[in-house]
Amino acid sequence: DAKTTQPPSMDCAEGRAANLPCNHSTISGNEYVYWYRQIHSQGPQYIIHGLKNNETNEMASLIITEDRKSSTLILPHATLRDTAVYYCIVRVDGSGGGADGLTFGKGTHLIIQP
Amino acid sequence: DAGVIQSPRHEVTEMGQEVTLRCKPISGHDYLFWYRQTMMRGLELLIYFNNNVPIDDSGMPEDRFSAKMPNASFSTLKIQPSEPRDSAVYFCASRLSSGRIEQFFGPGTRLTVL
Repeated sequence: DAKTTQPPSMDCAEGRAANLPCNHSTISGNEYVYWYRQIHSQGPQYIIHGLKNNETNEMASLIITEDRKSSTLILPHATLRDTAVYYCIVRVDGSGGGADGLTFGKGTHLIIQP
Repeated sequence: DAGVIQSPRHEVTEMGQEVTLRCKPISGHDYLFWYRQTMMRGLELLIYFNNNVPIDDSGMPEDRFSAKMPNASFSTLKIQPSEPRDSAVYFCASRLSSGRIEQFFGPGTRLTVL
């Protein structure tokens, strides 16, 4: 799996958009970008994933650059409950396409300020 | 659905004792994963199963660790004998092999070995 680089921590004001960057300059053509988050004392939670097109769901939006070397997770209206560690993971599609375990880096600790 | 269920939620034991952690995956999921999280090493994949068969156990630290999945609704992770360095939060996760491919994590078991 390709290596990812994320800032160790970020602050965001409540109600504002939180933009979390991830660098994955060595990503391969068949690797997806996944985002998970881990709220304190809980298990990780899936947020979103994408290959090359931008994606949006009820939790967040994922913007992937055209060269796919970086991406941004956007939480459009951050709340205090979004305070968590956010992990960007790059891997081959897990639906039978390769190794299925997740490799977590250190992630970004996002702190939402009231 | 109740989600992934793990027991116990907390375990405190003395060095040398046997420890058994338990996991019930989401009904119908055919993949099951065991992860360990420590401050030093972060989240690490230990082992995963597909259709109750161990597929990759390369993350299991040493022979003191063993995992079984006797049926589709139950898995155990056993440590015998336990050591203080095994203190960590152990997460179980499950997923489907088709359709939605994200992993669903349980609440974890916090293990303390004195």
